[in-house]
Amino acid sequence: DAMVIQNPRYQVTQFGKPVTLSCSQTLNHNVMYWYQQKSSQAPKLLFHYYDKDFNNEADTPDNFQSRRPNTSFCFLDIRSPGLGDAAMYLCATSRDTGLEEKLFFGSGTQLSVL
Amino acid sequence: GESVGLHLPTLSVQEGDNSIINCAYSNSASDYFIWYKQESGKGPQFIIDIRSNMDKRQGQRVTVLLNKTVKHLSLQIAATQPGDSAVYFCAEMVGTALIFGKGTTLSVSS
Repeated sequence: DAMVIQNPRYQVTQFGKPVTLSCSQTLNHNVMYWYQQKSSQAPKLLFHYYDKDFNNEADTPDNFQSRRPNTSFCFLDIRSPGLGDAAMYLCATSRDTGLEEKLFFGSGTQLSVL
Repeated sequence: GESVGLHLPTLSVQEGDNSIINCAYSNSASDYFIWYKQESGKGPQFIIDIRSNMDKRQGQRVTVLLNKTVKHLSLQIAATQPGDSAVYFCAEMVGTALIFGKGTTLSVSS
């Protein structure tokens, strides 16, 4: 059974039209991460939540926001998607942020911007 | 800035051969490293990890070697199978962030 679930699997949006991607987890993990992965590139960390504490990476554009209403769910909001935001968006969870805390990844949402 | 990277973007092997995928890292303060496998259309999958106080760790058919002197990490896959075809990433834990290297695409032919 999937433990980190991302919906939808494919998302198409229009240039400038806000879009929200969702992630849920059944692991009861404290930490949830959002990564952006463009074609043939490594996943790039956007931000993560430790419980309700939000941690933004320094180079994450302001266009990207996140919400975590409860332990199980985390959302990625892209306020005004540009063509350069087309990518795979990966959600991951971990029990804690200490050493040797393994990340568990969802299957990702492939975002297309028209 | 400091980052984790891989030496070769692609590696092609025959089924049954041993594969070695290399990674060079530059953050000398990193003390935890992970190898992930990513198949097309899927999220990264944990393979094996190693702490900096070790130089070798073995799993099922996989071995990770760490050379802190030259800041080099490698993943060895024994008896490579077609199902091993995927992109392999090394990653390092920097504070609370898992930072990925660029990835090596492993292709296994029968």
